[in-house]
Amino acid sequence: DQQVKQNSPSLSVQEGRISILNCDYTNSMFDYFLWYKKYPAEGPTFLISISSIKDKNEDGRFTVFLNKSAKHLSLHIVPSQPGDSAVYFCAATGNTDKLIFGTGTRLQVFP
Amino acid sequence: DTGVSQDPRHKITKRGQNVTFRCDPISEHNRLYWYRQTLGQGPEFLTYFQNEAQLEKSRLLSDRFSAERPKGSFSTLEIQRTEQGDSAMYLCASSSFLSGDQETQYFGPGTRLLVL
Repeated sequence: DQQVKQNSPSLSVQEGRISILNCDYTNSMFDYFLWYKKYPAEGPTFLISISSIKDKNEDGRFTVFLNKSAKHLSLHIVPSQPGDSAVYFCAATGNTDKLIFGTGTRLQVFP
Repeated sequence: DTGVSQDPRHKITKRGQNVTFRCDPISEHNRLYWYRQTLGQGPEFLTYFQNEAQLEKSRLLSDRFSAERPKGSFSTLEIQRTEQGDSAMYLCASSSFLSGDQETQYFGPGTRLLVL
């Protein structure tokens, strides 16, 4: 039972454009959501997070939106850069402290 | 300021051998987590510690797996009698937990295990 789903395994975006990565969850007890970026053979790097009391959080080029009623969150990267090419994982946590991860979306930013 | 470190980065072993991995968390972080990631999947929770106390273990963690954090600083994860299905990336994360606050976990580079 996949509680956190990233339905797009891959996404290809031109440099300078917006990248939108999506994530859906099923557990209404989740109250904190995080995005991590992962390069091959490295551990996940924390990017940005959002608490369930907010619907938007921004940090530079990265913005995360949360729609609690739809149990959906998205990560926007504007403008996209070639260095953003990596696998992006959505993760959630709630009344337990462990992170539940999605399966990841591979983003490729081309010139 | 150093991040989470893990040692070794790579380990190749034969089936049936025991292996031990080490994780050094970010200084002052009181929580330490172990996750496992296989190809095409996101990291899956294995176990975690608050200081030296092991607070939760996943059902994924069979009796062959044991983790310790004896002094509340570094942690070790041991796998006994390794099986080919244990081949994965083992990730360690740490966080600074304060009751009532949201915590962000920061990950190390991982230890990639290959069981032949």
